[in-house]
Amino acid sequence: RKEVEQDPGPFNVPEGATVAFNCTYSNSASQSFFWYRQDCRKEPKLLMSVYSSGNEDGRFTAQLNRASQYISLLIRDSKLSDSATYLCVVSTAGSNYQLIWGAGTKLIIKP
Amino acid sequence: DAMVIQNPRYQVTQFGKPVTLSCSQTLNHNVMYWYQQKSSQAPKLLFHYYDKDFNNEADTPDNFQSRRPNTSFCFLDIRSPGLGDAAMYLCATSIRGLGYTFGSGTRLTVV
Repeated sequence: RKEVEQDPGPFNVPEGATVAFNCTYSNSASQSFFWYRQDCRKEPKLLMSVYSSGNEDGRFTAQLNRASQYISLLIRDSKLSDSATYLCVVSTAGSNYQLIWGAGTKLIIKP
Repeated sequence: DAMVIQNPRYQVTQFGKPVTLSCSQTLNHNVMYWYQQKSSQAPKLLFHYYDKDFNNEADTPDNFQSRRPNTSFCFLDIRSPGLGDAAMYLCATSIRGLGYTFGSGTRLTVV
């Protein structure tokens, strides 16, 4: 079993729709959680950190469920520019906070 | 602006011909990482330097070496590139595992 698992997609979503991804992680000792966005042939960029209480940044909402060991990302009112791959990332204290990466979920927003 | 710079952006090398990728940072971060990312896959950590301490991942092939002559620079040496080494190589930095910052990557083609 992979340490961080994501549905690879692609998710084909009409512009303006709401879309949600989940990501599961296997290490219950994981402490920090992130969503990164990666455009084609570019480096990953931090989209948002995920806090225990959940957090929102504009159209993006991230949630953490420690009991079930998953995190989610919700995108409301999706834009064409949201088309990208979204990578779920987890880190664990005691490992120099090294990042464990999911393989990403590809999102395609269609006009 | 402080940043992580990778050169070159694109590198073409011949099968078996040694190649070096470079990374420099102006962030004064103490940790530097090299990742390999192939299409539709998660970034794969090859190794990292925590200050001057080199940490190799167990499954990183011997073909890959790294040097960090000072805080600002880190090099990835591929001694005998094979076709399977064609990938995006990402350099990243952090402060003791926090504040991850990626360079824009070097896309390596092996011919």
